Amino acid sequence: DAGVIQSPRHEVTEMGQEVTLRCKPISGHDYLFWYRQTMMRGLELLIYFNNNVPIDDSGMPEDRFSAKMPNASFSTLKIQPSEPRDSAVYFCASSLRLQGANNEQFFGPGTRLTVL
Amino acid sequence: AQSVSQHNHHVILSEAASLELGCNYSYGGTVNLFWYVQYPGQHLQLLLKYFSGDPLVKGIKGFEAEFIKSKFSFNLRKPSVQWSDTAEYFCAVNPYSGSARQLTFGSGTQLTVLP
Repeated sequence: DAGVIQSPRHEVTEMGQEVTLRCKPISGHDYLFWYRQTMMRGLELLIYFNNNVPIDDSGMPEDRFSAKMPNASFSTLKIQPSEPRDSAVYFCASSLRLQGANNEQFFGPGTRLTVL
Repeated sequence: AQSVSQHNHHVILSEAASLELGCNYSYGGTVNLFWYVQYPGQHLQLLLKYFSGDPLVKGIKGFEAEFIKSKFSFNLRKPSVQWSDTAEYFCAVNPYSGSARQLTFGSGTQLTVLP
């Protein structure tokens, strides 16, 4: 398996623009997670899906952020409009289970977002 | 809600020195515990995990961790570090049940190994 795939790897955009980050989880994994990593706040869980359904989005910072999972092999995280404080590395992760055995999460390479 | 504390923010060691990184968590119930490593510019990779059974867990690259339930701790150890171990290390806890939010990460410990 190729692991979790994310695109783009780097994104530089201007304030006010829409940004779309993409993720392909490991095939067969029922759970998909979006994280944001910054120096100030560390690694934060934004939202996670189970079988394409959003389960907990309480970590999404504000209405400018939205996430979708139209099918089992694809998810997007959208920021509209983007702001400089959104600059961070965004990781996608997937897991077979949420709890119990086989619940470890596998992370993608991340998207480094810079908003000017 | 659960929380994870990593007391050492930055550790600097010479090659061949022994390593112990502290991790304490707060959650009253059953937990799964993880250590992830993030090499410079790369994504998080799983080093090892505790699910149940033997509290001494062995992971990849010679790392091990011991779960001490009475101390709510899951410290990471390696008897002899190498320059290639330079990375950031994250401890994480996942409650086994209940409505608590999912995997919670500590703030990370940056390990620098001097050649």
